[in-house]
Amino acid sequence: AAGVIQSPRHLIKEKRETATLKCYPIPRHDTVYWYQQGPGQDPQFLISFYEKMQSDKGSIPDRFSAQQFSDYHSELNMSSLELGDSALYFCASSTTGTSFGYTFGSGTRLTVV
Amino acid sequence: RKEVEQDPGPFNVPEGATVAFNCTYSNSASQSFFWYRQDCRKEPKLLMSVYSSGNEDGRFTAQLNRASQYISLLIRDSKLSDSATYLCVVNPETSYDKVIFGPGTSLSVIP
Repeated sequence: AAGVIQSPRHLIKEKRETATLKCYPIPRHDTVYWYQQGPGQDPQFLISFYEKMQSDKGSIPDRFSAQQFSDYHSELNMSSLELGDSALYFCASSTTGTSFGYTFGSGTRLTVV
Repeated sequence: RKEVEQDPGPFNVPEGATVAFNCTYSNSASQSFFWYRQDCRKEPKLLMSVYSSGNEDGRFTAQLNRASQYISLLIRDSKLSDSATYLCVVNPETSYDKVIFGPGTSLSVIP
């Protein structure tokens, strides 16, 4: 069965650079979520999109932005990267309502040096 | 106080043991509840949803007590492959809102 696809799997960037993470949700899932998980931390919600519109916003820095495109894939854009941005970034998708739980992608490991 | 709290762990148990994890949530309006497991450096994977009537899936049993705002996960006959971090996850509202993760409880099953 198709899963949530994230790319790239690993990314190394220098401070002050820009990074773009991509997420392809499960077909027919209408909601996409982005989470950030720092070392030893639980996943922290960043932002979500429902039917290509931003539906909720969490602890996402102003340096980050995201959007969902007409084909439902989503991109998380991160600018002026800081060392503290090094983390695992997970994308998840679901159908409307979460009574069936999310399906997470394998994540993108971002390392800022 | 965090919205979702879990036993701090870690839990180190021998193979075949029964282990129980506890979780409490602060938002009484929470609608949906889940247990996820996360292996080191991997994505969280849905283990099971938690229903008011309690539910069982093989060696795993989940219970929900809305009055006490408490969720539990019981693992019987622990296997080495059960070693992971178990995340209690709560959906505070219906529709497409985010879910809140607990801090996770680490389980190591020892031969």
